[in-house]
Amino acid sequence: GDSVTQMEGPVTLSEEAFLTINCTYTATGYPSLFWYVQYPGEGLQLLLKATKADDKGSNKGFEATYRKETTSFHLEKGSVQVSDSAVYFCALRLTGGGNKLTFGTGTQLKVEL
Amino acid sequence: DTAVSQTPKYLVTQMGNDKSIKCEQNLGHDTMYWYKQDSKKFLKIMFSYNNKELIINETVPNRFSPKSPDKAHLNLHINSLELGDSAVYFCASMGLQETQYFGPGTRLLVL
Repeated sequence: GDSVTQMEGPVTLSEEAFLTINCTYTATGYPSLFWYVQYPGEGLQLLLKATKADDKGSNKGFEATYRKETTSFHLEKGSVQVSDSAVYFCALRLTGGGNKLTFGTGTQLKVEL
Repeated sequence: DTAVSQTPKYLVTQMGNDKSIKCEQNLGHDTMYWYKQDSKKFLKIMFSYNNKELIINETVPNRFSPKSPDKAHLNLHINSLELGDSAVYFCASMGLQETQYFGPGTRLLVL
């Protein structure tokens, strides 16, 4: 079945460090890919998305490129801030079948001063 | 204005009770979802409705019954609550842009 694999956390970084959170997927078709962020005690917010191969999604300094050849959608940010501390979820969605999202297990990011 | 809202935000109840969680969206979307997030933060789809019609029903116990009185509302009723039902339940909605917007979550604790 369809699945998403994320690197396990927690990831702890110093402020202004470079961030990479790995995400790979397995899907029977051509999914759309998403990164959602969950701040402590809150719901999920869409961070960025990409709907086809080689698309780059970007938002708030974060970016991720849809790599069909490696079935990956790694999240990157050049310089993290304390306010980026949250749990990050990679997800895929296949068109049809209700358009449900299949999530990875989430990666907790802690950014320290 | 809140796009996707859920009530209550917190719910503490005893085993065996019946409870409901309500969800409303003011985005004009046709499709709504319920997801469950367990204690390890893992998120899994439970149900989806499109224009009041059930289109996704994952392997969820019959004790869980969604109801959609209109396309702006999707409620979740849970009978005979069990300890394992303790989780955070998220409602989401999706429109033509095919991006899902999530509510703030309902934190259910069964004692």
